[in-house]
Amino acid sequence: GNSVTQMEGPVTLSEEAFLTINCTYTATGYPSLFWYVQYPGEGLQLLLKATKADDKGSNKGFEATYRKETTSFHLEKGSVQVSDSAVYFCALSEYNQGGKLIFGQGTELSVKP
Amino acid sequence: NAGVMQNPRHLVRRRGQEARLRCSPMKGHSHVYWYRQLPEEGLKFMVYLQKENIIDESGMPKERFSAEFPKEGPSILRIQQVVRGDSAAYFCASSPQTDSNQPQHFGDGTRLSIL
Repeated sequence: GNSVTQMEGPVTLSEEAFLTINCTYTATGYPSLFWYVQYPGEGLQLLLKATKADDKGSNKGFEATYRKETTSFHLEKGSVQVSDSAVYFCALSEYNQGGKLIFGQGTELSVKP
Repeated sequence: NAGVMQNPRHLVRRRGQEARLRCSPMKGHSHVYWYRQLPEEGLKFMVYLQKENIIDESGMPKERFSAEFPKEGPSILRIQQVVRGDSAAYFCASSPQTDSNQPQHFGDGTRLSIL
């Protein structure tokens, strides 16, 4: 079945450091890929998405490229801020499965000043 | 606030009681999804509904859990005879159509605690 695997956290970085959170997936078809962010006590917010191979999603300085050959969708940011501290979820959705999201286990990011 | 509204935000129940969680989708959205987040885990799909229809309930436990999305009013996730293992955050999401390219919009969740 479909699945998403993320690197384990927590990830602790200093402000302005480079961020990479790895995400790989297994899917039977051609999924859409998403990164969601969850701040403490809140629901999930869409951060970025990519719907086909080689697409690059980007938002708020974050970006991720849909790599079909490596089945990956790694999240990157060149310079993190304290306000980026949150839990990040990678997810996939397949058209023939009604749009339901399959999530990774989440990666907690803590950015220190 | 035009976002997905969930209530209550926090719900405390004793073992054996019933829990009812409500979700009002974004205006114009007719597709509702429920997810459960156990402590230290990611979100797991439970059920997908359209107005008056359950489309996919493959993630719902076979017993004690039910969901509905009536023609009028919010979607309801109902848990009967709750047990300690039901303690979790329950999130509702909505979208305007069934399209894997269409992002889902999430509510802030209901945190259920079982005493």
